[in-house]
Amino acid sequence: GDSVTQMEGPVTLSEEAFLTINCTYTATGYPSLFWYVQYPGEGLQLLLKATKADDKGSNKGFEATYRKETTSFHLEKGSVQVSDSAVYFCALSDPPKGNEKLTFGTGTRLTIIP
Amino acid sequence: DSGVTQTPKHLITATGQRVTLRCSPRSGDLSVYWYQQSLDQGLQFLIQYYNGEERAKGNILERFSAQQFPDLHSELNLSSLELGDSALYFCASSTPSEGARETQYFGPGTRLLVL
Repeated sequence: GDSVTQMEGPVTLSEEAFLTINCTYTATGYPSLFWYVQYPGEGLQLLLKATKADDKGSNKGFEATYRKETTSFHLEKGSVQVSDSAVYFCALSDPPKGNEKLTFGTGTRLTIIP
Repeated sequence: DSGVTQTPKHLITATGQRVTLRCSPRSGDLSVYWYQQSLDQGLQFLIQYYNGEERAKGNILERFSAQQFPDLHSELNLSSLELGDSALYFCASSTPSEGARETQYFGPGTRLLVL
């Protein structure tokens, strides 16, 4: 079945550092890929998404590119802020099979220190 | 604010009891999904309803059931509760159509604690 493998956390970085959180996937179809973020004590918020190969999703300075050849969707940000501290989830859905559920990675906890 | 509402925000109950979690989707969304987030299992899909009909089932226990009403709100019923059912339960909504790649928008969750 479909699966998402995400970089193990926790990740601790200094403010203004460069961030990469790795995400790879396995899917039998042609999935859509997502990054969701969960701030402390809150629900999941969509951060960005990409629906086809070579698409780049971007939001709030975060970017991720859908790489079909490497089945990856790594999250990057050039300069992180303390407010970026949260848990980040990579996810996929494969709707053409009528299977619209999201399959999530295990989450990566990010802490940014001033 | 995603537009998805969930009640209650917190629920504390005892083993063996039954609870009902409620979700109201975003205006216009026909699909509702339920997910469970626990420390040991991560985020797991439970069940999806589309316009009142069950559409997909995931790792949902037989003690759990759900339904979607004509006004499109959904309820997740958890019965014969066990300690291991303690988790954060999320509802999400979207308006999927055949072949579409719709985004799911999540509610704030209901935190269930079974004592």
